[in-house]
Amino acid sequence: GAGVSQSPRYKVAKRGQDVALRCDPISGHVSLFWYQQALGQGPEFLTYFQNEAQLDKSGLPSDRFFAERPEGSVSTLKIQRTQQEDSAVYLCASSLVGGKGVPNQPQHFGDGTRLSIL
Amino acid sequence: RKEVEQDPGPFNVPEGATVAFNCTYSNSASQSFFWYRQDCRKEPKLLMSVYSSGNEDGRFTAQLNRASQYISLLIRDSKLSDSATYLCAVIFYSGGYQKVTFGTGTKLQVIP
Repeated sequence: GAGVSQSPRYKVAKRGQDVALRCDPISGHVSLFWYQQALGQGPEFLTYFQNEAQLDKSGLPSDRFFAERPEGSVSTLKIQRTQQEDSAVYLCASSLVGGKGVPNQPQHFGDGTRLSIL
Repeated sequence: RKEVEQDPGPFNVPEGATVAFNCTYSNSASQSFFWYRQDCRKEPKLLMSVYSSGNEDGRFTAQLNRASQYISLLIRDSKLSDSATYLCAVIFYSGGYQKVTFGTGTKLQVIP
């Protein structure tokens, strides 16, 4: 597709349930990022992939959060045993290669998944 | 101190006014800078890159001050449709890839 696609747009889950959020980046974009955005805040970095390699997961708030991108395109963010504090908008962004010697490219965001934990 | 800081606002300005926002960053090794616009309940959309020499896109002007470690966004002749939250993004290279940090955003409300 032309842009970054995320699904579902909205997800409501009961506390303790597992959820899976999907991101389909722009075709050809090597870099993929996941962010968590709380109301009134900027996007907070969660994790970063370059192709299928997860190069940075320092932003994942706990070991209940897990992300993968097995074939270097679609990515899934999984949250196990959800808690109320996990309620937020989860944004996925992709960009062309951004590495040493390569001009950094802007990120393009998907619509996000609005997650509500009851 | 946060890595990237913005005044959250809100900035309430009349139509036609000129308004400017700043975004300060703490990492002097930061390499690339962008401004994003985010409408309520929408995803951030790229507004413009920020180049070292400063750059302009219509009513919008972005500037970088490396010595004082901040970027700025100037909006001239404000329109009602400019009402949104403006996020800055700061990128630096580390360990073979880019690290991106966003500010919390500055809310702009243009009033008739």
